[in-house]
Amino acid sequence: EAGVAQSPRYKIIEKRQSVAFWCNPISGHATLYWYQQILGQGPKLLIQFQNNGVVDDSQLPKDRFSAERLKGVDSTLKIQPAKLEDSAVYLCASSLEQVNTGELFFGEGSRLTVL
Amino acid sequence: GQQVMQIPQYQHVQEGEDFTTYCNSSTTLSNIQWYKQRPGGHPVFLIQLVKSGEVKKQKRLTFQFGEAKKNSSLHITATQTTDVGTYFCAGGDNYGQNFVFGPGTRLSVLP
Repeated sequence: EAGVAQSPRYKIIEKRQSVAFWCNPISGHATLYWYQQILGQGPKLLIQFQNNGVVDDSQLPKDRFSAERLKGVDSTLKIQPAKLEDSAVYLCASSLEQVNTGELFFGEGSRLTVL
Repeated sequence: GQQVMQIPQYQHVQEGEDFTTYCNSSTTLSNIQWYKQRPGGHPVFLIQLVKSGEVKKQKRLTFQFGEAKKNSSLHITATQTTDVGTYFCAGGDNYGQNFVFGPGTRLSVLP
């Protein structure tokens, strides 16, 4: 079974530039999460989708971050404009079961460095 | 909002020693999950606890969910170098929203 796919694995940009991350969850997984993990900290939820609907985006900095999940499958997370404090690993996870139950399967992550 | 804390932040043990990390939530949880993240890797699911007072074992790992469903612990017996990594707990609240990760406990095992 293929895992959660993310790209790019690494991205270096200058502040005020934009960046986009892509995630392909495990086939059949209805729930998709985007987490931000700053070095030395635990993952922080940015947004979660149930199919193509947003369940929780309360911690998403909406002035600069946006995310969508078209057709309830792939998802993209965009940052525009980036700030230095956005340097982190962006983890995508998916779950077969409904929100907040069941195992989360994480992708390898996309490491963003903002200079 | 819901807060999940873990102690200790770091733990250094000699191979063969035991290790315990504790997880505490500011609110009652519907369930709690534990994940392990190896250096440079991504979190990998270990287990989920749902019932009050539940205890589950996986080989050398023992997981416990508190009676009040506000705390949990992970105990590793006779650590091995393969146990190195950061252990995160993640709690779901009773409203079906907010699945919050703790800050993690980083375990180092000296051979």
